[in-house]
Order: sequence, then structure tokens, then C-alpha cells
Amino acid sequence: GAGVSQTPSNKVTEKGKYVELRCDPISGHTALYWYRQSLGQGPEFLIYFQGTGAADDSGLPNDRFFAVRPEGSVSTLKIQRTERGDSAVYLCASSLGTQASPLHFGNGTRLTVT
Amino acid sequence: RKEVEQDPGPFNVPEGATVAFNCTYSNSASQSFFWYRQDCRKEPKLLMSVYSSGNEDGRFTAQLNRASQYISLLIRDSKLSDSATYLCVVRGGYNKLIFGAGTRLAVHP
Repeated sequence: GAGVSQTPSNKVTEKGKYVELRCDPISGHTALYWYRQSLGQGPEFLIYFQGTGAADDSGLPNDRFFAVRPEGSVSTLKIQRTERGDSAVYLCASSLGTQASPLHFGNGTRLTVT
Repeated sequence: RKEVEQDPGPFNVPEGATVAFNCTYSNSASQSFFWYRQDCRKEPKLLMSVYSSGNEDGRFTAQLNRASQYISLLIRDSKLSDSATYLCVVRGGYNKLIFGAGTRLAVHP
């Protein structure tokens, strides 16, 4: 079946601009996670949704970052007033939401802020 | 102290070698553990879950030591295709999954 889909695959934006990154999870997966990964580092947790609600947003670095999942499926990560330090690969993953459920990742969106 | 710590490596081993990675975690209440594999410029992919009694999948063996709060991954008979970064993942509070920084493995002929 279809895996996790992320769009765009690459995004180049200027410092100060607003960007939206989209994630379409595996059908039936109630849990959705956003991570970001910089070169040579492991994925850094940003936010986790169970259904429509953000169950844990403790990883969002500041209030420029916001994510929504209005219908419990597709999620959008929004970054306002982008900074060069926001450049990274943003990874989305989904799971069945149980304790033993592993994550299934999308291909990621490579964000470059110039 | 980081929540999940791994030796970054790289581990350079010849084909056919046995290699082991360890990962330590700080939250004693953690309930689920996984090893993921990540190839260069690709997304992480699940290698195996780690069960309390230890588990094996072909050439790969995972162990969990709750008392010492570490998990391990053993790879036997290394192949060139095993070259990748291996990420340790721990499920913490509220279902949050925390990744280690990864251990790089390079298998050479």
C-alpha cells in the first residue's frame, strides 16, 4: 500500500518567508510525528499528534513553528519568519498509535533557507 | 545528559566480521525500543523492534538490559550492504519516540 507521503521534497526559501510542509500518513494510522534532522545528527522530535490533537508539542523550538492535523489525517507543519538555522530535513512519520507500533517515515522535505 | 546516547563511530569492519553497538537511555520508564537503519540522504527505516527477552532476525540480534538501561544490536557476518547509520529509538512519555544520534557502520571488502 501507499507509504507516508511528504511534499514538497525540496523547498528553498528566503530568510523571513513563511513555509508550509505537508505530510500524508499511511491510511488508518492515528499517530503522526514530525521530526527534523540536521547533517550528522539523529532525528529531533518536534511534535506528535494522536488523531486531530497535538499530544506532545514539546519539541517545537519556538513559536515560529506550528503544526495542524485538522481531520486526523494530513498534517501541515508551518514555519513563520524562517531563519537560516531552520535549514534541515523535516521528516514525517506515522504509526498505528499503540505502544509497540514502530514509525514509518516519509522521504522528508529538505528545507533550505537562504 | 541526552535521553538516548550512542557511540557515533564510525565502526570500520571487514566483510564477515561481527560488530556490536550499544545505546543507553535515561528514562527508566521507557517501554518500547527499536533499531532503525538510515542510508545516506534517505529516511530512517525500521530494522527491528527490541523485546525484553531479546530477539533475533537473521544476522541481527537485539538485546535489552533494563537494569542498566541499555539496548544493543549485534550484526553477524557483516555484508557490504550493511554499511549505514544505525539509530537507537526509545519510546518515552506520552508515546514520544526519541532517537539517538546514530552509529555509523562502514563494512569494507
